[in-house]
Amino acid sequence: RKEVEQDPGPFNVPEGATVAFNCTYSNSASQSFFWYRQDCRKEPKLLMSVYSSGNEDGRFTAQLNRASQYISLLIRDSKLSDSATYLCVVTPGGSYIPTFGRGTSLIVHP
Amino acid sequence: EPEVTQTPSHQVTQMGQEVILRCVPISNHLYFYWYRQILGQKVEFLVSFYNNEISEKSEIFDDQFSVERPDGSNFTLKIRSTKLEDSAMYFCASSGADHNEQFFGPGTRLTVL
Repeated sequence: RKEVEQDPGPFNVPEGATVAFNCTYSNSASQSFFWYRQDCRKEPKLLMSVYSSGNEDGRFTAQLNRASQYISLLIRDSKLSDSATYLCVVTPGGSYIPTFGRGTSLIVHP
Repeated sequence: EPEVTQTPSHQVTQMGQEVILRCVPISNHLYFYWYRQILGQKVEFLVSFYNNEISEKSEIFDDQFSVERPDGSNFTLKIRSTKLEDSAMYFCASSGADHNEQFFGPGTRLTVL
């Protein structure tokens, strides 16, 4: 079983749509969770950390479900500029070695 | 805004040659990292570096790889004898006391022929 799994997509949505991505992880000892954004042939950039209580940053909402070992990212009111690959990242307790998912591709069209 | 820089942006080398990839982390950061991303694949952790020594490394980071902080600003990744499968994008990252907030450089695309 892969350590961090994501649906590769692509998710093709119109501007203004709401889109959600899920990510599952296999290591139950995982402690830290993040969503990164990666544009084509660019570096990953931290989008947001994911906390147990869930967190929101503008149009972006992240949720963590430890019992089911998955995290989610919800994007509301999609913009053209949201088109990118969204990477799920998980770090186990006691280590700073992050494990990246392969990413979910989002294409927002006019 | 401070940023991580990497040079060169693209390096082409022959199999068996040594390459050195360079990074200048954000100046007040304490932790430094190297990652690689083979085209179409996921980002993979290679090594983390703190206080002038390796703090963690992955299985990928074998004896052909080494890292160094030769002065107060640069952080380098050396690949001693490159193989075709080393072709990838190599990202440097740095963080302050919060390991979780890592800032990535733009990457060096390494092509091994």
